[in-house]
Amino acid sequence: DVKVTQSSRYLVKRTGEKVFLECVQDMDHENMFWYRQDPGLGLRLIYFSYDVKMKEKGDIPEGYSVSREKKERFSLILESASTNQTSMYLCASTGREPAKNIQYFGAGTRLSVL
Amino acid sequence: KNEVEQSPQNLTAQEGEFITINCSYSVGISALHWLQQHPGGGIVSLFMLSSGKKKHGRLIATINIQEKHSSLHITASHPRDSAVYICAVDQGAQKLVFGQGTRLTINP
Repeated sequence: DVKVTQSSRYLVKRTGEKVFLECVQDMDHENMFWYRQDPGLGLRLIYFSYDVKMKEKGDIPEGYSVSREKKERFSLILESASTNQTSMYLCASTGREPAKNIQYFGAGTRLSVL
Repeated sequence: KNEVEQSPQNLTAQEGEFITINCSYSVGISALHWLQQHPGGGIVSLFMLSSGKKKHGRLIATINIQEKHSSLHITASHPRDSAVYICAVDQGAQKLVFGQGTRLTINP
């Protein structure tokens, strides 16, 4: 079974802190995604990556950056956390072939910025 | 107007009832996904379809490309089916656009 593991289920941070959210997948997937989920807004794409060291902006990249130094790991970075970044963050991965387009999600990280 | 609209937003039913959740979209797509999210956050992919109909156990998903509409059906619903069901469309390159979800509650 594909496993997508997010490093923390819950995080509490202070405004202005630098925050790292880590995501690791074990299926050699090329594509990885970071989403945030907010009530009434659904899931929105922050950043995605099609390969190591490649990254593309999603719909709401402002205030975030990402890093993909290894194929299995995709990190989301909040350079200076703000209260409006309090949210549920979900990581997902897929393979490149069309038959592997099913997205596998991590369990999510609920981040609170105080 | 959202590109992906789901209805209803909330649905409560009794155990055993037949459930239908609808999804309409306004953009061209390469595939449509149905996802399930249980309390606690984890999301599981139920179906990915680009035409016709797929069935898995008590779950059936259909799509009408011409009408830009998909439905998710649950037969013989059970309290363990209680979850948020999310429709998402792939516009290409696997970038998904999500509906806001339908919260389903099945009472025993």
